[in-house]
Amino acid sequence: DPKIIQKPKYLVAVTGSEKILICEQYLGHNAMYWYRQSAKKPLEFMFSYSYQKLMDNQTASSRFQPQSSKKNHLDLQITALKPDDSATYFCASSQDEGWQDTQYFGPGTRLLVL
Amino acid sequence: AQSVTQPDARVTVSEGASLQLRCKYSSSGTPYLFWYVQYPRQGLQLLLKYYSGDPVVQGVNGFEAEFSKSNSSFHLRKASVHWSDSAVYFCVLSATGGYKVVFGSGTRLLVSP
Repeated sequence: DPKIIQKPKYLVAVTGSEKILICEQYLGHNAMYWYRQSAKKPLEFMFSYSYQKLMDNQTASSRFQPQSSKKNHLDLQITALKPDDSATYFCASSQDEGWQDTQYFGPGTRLLVL
Repeated sequence: AQSVTQPDARVTVSEGASLQLRCKYSSSGTPYLFWYVQYPRQGLQLLLKYYSGDPVVQGVNGFEAEFSKSNSSFHLRKASVHWSDSAVYFCVLSATGGYKVVFGSGTRLLVSP
């Protein structure tokens, strides 16, 4: 059974619209993260959460807003979508905060903005 | 400033041959170094990690990496590759184990029969 679920697997959106990417982890971890992988850039760290609190934000744009309704959920809301937002977005989790603990990655959501 | 350089975008080796994927890092703090692998249409999976101690660390599936402070390197090696090793490999750096991490650009490995 998958331990980190990301929904949807694929997503097509129009410029200017808003989408929410879902992430749920069933590993009992306390920390969760979002990463972005686009064709033009290496994998980029976006956010880290620990016990549902934002710990680090490396995303310049406020159009990206993580939302944590439960400890094992960390969704990513993206507003005013642009074609440059097209990428695969990975959710990850670890037992505790920081990179001392191994991070486990979900399968990703591939977003295409037209 | 932290940075990770993987100088080889693509590497092709024959099945059964040995492998080395290069990684150079720059860090002002104590480096925590990782190698992750990404198989097609999947998320990243940890191969191995280095914090301190023995500079040669063993990972899964026969992979190992050697940390060199003098060369600022953390090269990944495998004695004999299998076709299933074809994937993209990422070298990752975290200084002092904090949240801020830097990924290398990745090396796409193709193992030919």
